Amino acid sequence: KQEVTQIPAALSVPEGENLVLNCSFTDSAIYNLQWFRQDPGKGLTSLLLIQSSQREQTSGRLNASLDKSSGRSTLYIAASQPGDSATYLCAAYSGGYQKVTFGTGTKLQVIP
Amino acid sequence: DGGITQSPKYLFRKEGQNVTLSCEQNLNHDAMYWYRQDPGQGLRLIYYSQIVNDFQKGDIAEGYSVSREKKESFPLTVTSAQKNPTAFYLCASTSPGSPSGANVLTFGAGSRLTVL
Repeated sequence: KQEVTQIPAALSVPEGENLVLNCSFTDSAIYNLQWFRQDPGKGLTSLLLIQSSQREQTSGRLNASLDKSSGRSTLYIAASQPGDSATYLCAAYSGGYQKVTFGTGTKLQVIP
Repeated sequence: DGGITQSPKYLFRKEGQNVTLSCEQNLNHDAMYWYRQDPGQGLRLIYYSQIVNDFQKGDIAEGYSVSREKKESFPLTVTSAQKNPTAFYLCASTSPGSPSGANVLTFGAGSRLTVL
């Protein structure tokens, strides 16, 4: 059974700092790894999707990498801003419509 | 703009009542899903549907029911048999034929159910 872990559960950083969020998964037989952002009381917004044949994806100040052999993905946020404050979740797609496992998220606070 | 609409945003239920959460999408997606989110836990799959008039139980289907009479709609009923229904409910959809080649999840804004 796939298990997805996100550490730390919460993170507080000063504005402008570069930071890394971690996502670990136990079964390396995944075909997608997706990062989401969730604001309080809201749905999930997709940030980046990495397919199994890819090693990283970039969008603006965000860069996500995937290392299937080690069971890890990282989300790098450059020059953090207060508007980046949210919970970030990763999801591992292991196959089939129902085989998506979510981590419990990292709650990020960027202090002005 | 295409997207997923969930309603109501907030819902209160008394003990013994059934309530229905609405999920409508105009993305022309084939598959639709219902997830439950509780504090400190990852999203858990309740039900999913790949095509109209077909749906499958997820990991925590007990106390819930769904229907898929139209491609656009996938309502979730929380029955009185669900003993701990207070949670945030998220509807999602995917289409395997998306341009990226990956059937990624797209989510609605969620519905918060509280039992009084």
